[in-house]
Amino acid sequence: QQPVQSPQAVILREGEDAVINCSSSKALYSVHWYRQKHGEAPVFLMILLKGGEQKGHDKISASFNEKKQQSSLYLTASQLSYSGTYFCGTETGGFKTIFGAGTRLFVKA
Amino acid sequence: DAGITQSPRYKITETGRQVTLMCHQTWSHSYMFWYRQDLGHGLRLIYYSAAADITDKGEVPDGYVVSRSKTENFPLTLESATRSQTSVYFCASSEDRVRAGYTFGSGTRLTVV
Repeated sequence: QQPVQSPQAVILREGEDAVINCSSSKALYSVHWYRQKHGEAPVFLMILLKGGEQKGHDKISASFNEKKQQSSLYLTASQLSYSGTYFCGTETGGFKTIFGAGTRLFVKA
Repeated sequence: DAGITQSPRYKITETGRQVTLMCHQTWSHSYMFWYRQDLGHGLRLIYYSAAADITDKGEVPDGYVVSRSKTENFPLTLESATRSQTSVYFCASSEDRVRAGYTFGSGTRLTVV
C-alpha cells in the first residue's frame, strides 16, 4: 500500500526550513528518502531502519517513528539546489520499496 | 562505464506491438527493480528481482514480463503495448536491501500511440 506524503507541495524562500512527512498504514521495516529534479532520475538521500533512528546529511535530516509508522524529512536553511520532488519509499518486508506520490518543493531566491 | 544504464532513452511504439526496455548494471548488485512514473502517482513498482532467476511482481505487473538470466541485466517487456503504458520507466539496483538505497538509471520515456 502506497505511503501518504504531506504536504503535496511547498514553496520556500532561501534560508527557510521545511518538513515533509511520510506515513504508512502498515508496519515499516525501513524508510528511504529520494530527491528528483525535473527530467532526471531520483537520487538517494538516506535510509532509516526500524528502531526509531534519526539520520543527518548536511542540512537534510530525517527521523523514523516506528510506533506511528511515520517518517519526516527535515530541510534546514534551504538552498536553491533543494528544489525538486521528494519521495519517501517504505519497505514492509520482502525485497521491494513502495513509493509515495511525492512532495514538490520549490525554493526561490 | 560503471553504473546503471537504460536503453533506449526514448521510444515511440504502436498499440499492440511488443517492446523491450533494457537495463544493465556494472556493480553486480543482487537487487534490481522496474518502476514506472506517471504524473500524480509517483513511482510504482512493476517487478523486482532479488538475484538472477528470481523475480516477483510488484504493484502494477499486468501487461509486463521480466527475466533475469544474468545478474547484470534485467529487461522489461511489454507484451502488447497499450496507451495506458505510456510512461517514464526507471530501472534501479541495490547492493543490500537492508542498508543501501537504490541507484536509478536515467529512465526510458515510452510513448504508445
